[in-house]
Amino acid sequence: RKEVEQDPGPFNVPEGATVAFNCTYSNSASQSFFWYRQDCRKEPKLLMSVYSSGNEDGRFTAQLNRASQYISLLIRDSKLSDSATYLCVVADSNTGNQFYFGTGTSLTVIP
Amino acid sequence: DAGVTQSPTHLIKTRGQQVTLRCSPKSGHDTVSWYQQALGQGPQFIFQYYEEEERQRGNFPDRFSGHQFPNYSSELNVNALLLGDSALYLCASSLKEAGNTIYFGEGSWLTVV
Repeated sequence: RKEVEQDPGPFNVPEGATVAFNCTYSNSASQSFFWYRQDCRKEPKLLMSVYSSGNEDGRFTAQLNRASQYISLLIRDSKLSDSATYLCVVADSNTGNQFYFGTGTSLTVIP
Repeated sequence: DAGVTQSPTHLIKTRGQQVTLRCSPKSGHDTVSWYQQALGQGPQFIFQYYEEEERQRGNFPDRFSGHQFPNYSSELNVNALLLGDSALYLCASSLKEAGNTIYFGEGSWLTVV
């Protein structure tokens, strides 16, 4: 079983739409959670950390459900510039903060 | 403040050859991790170096080896290249004391023919 599982998509949404990505992780000892964004043929870049209480950064909202081992990312009012692959990432400090990445979810925002 | 730098950016090797990829971490960072990202997949952890020693290793064969130098820079070596080693190789740097945030370099695109 993979450490982190994501729906690969693709998600094709119109500008202004709200879109949600989900992710599950298998290691209940995981302690740190992130969403990374990766543009085509570029390196992943940190989008936001995910906290137990949920957190928001502008149009982006991340949620964590430790009981269900489930992480989500909500993007409101989608922009063309949001088109990218979104990677769900889990880290466990017990393994020296080794990061486990999902396969990524592809988003295309259509004019 | 220089970010994570990697070299070369692109290279083509023949099956059976050996390759060395290089990484300089972000200024102030002391930990370097290497990841392999195959097409359509997420990055897969290869290993992590701290204080010039391999500290963690993912599920990769011994053909993958590395080194960290006193200035914290690092090399990834892959021997006996296989076609399946074709991928984007990403270097990530972090500060051990604040290991929850990693920063990636732009990566080295390796094609094995």
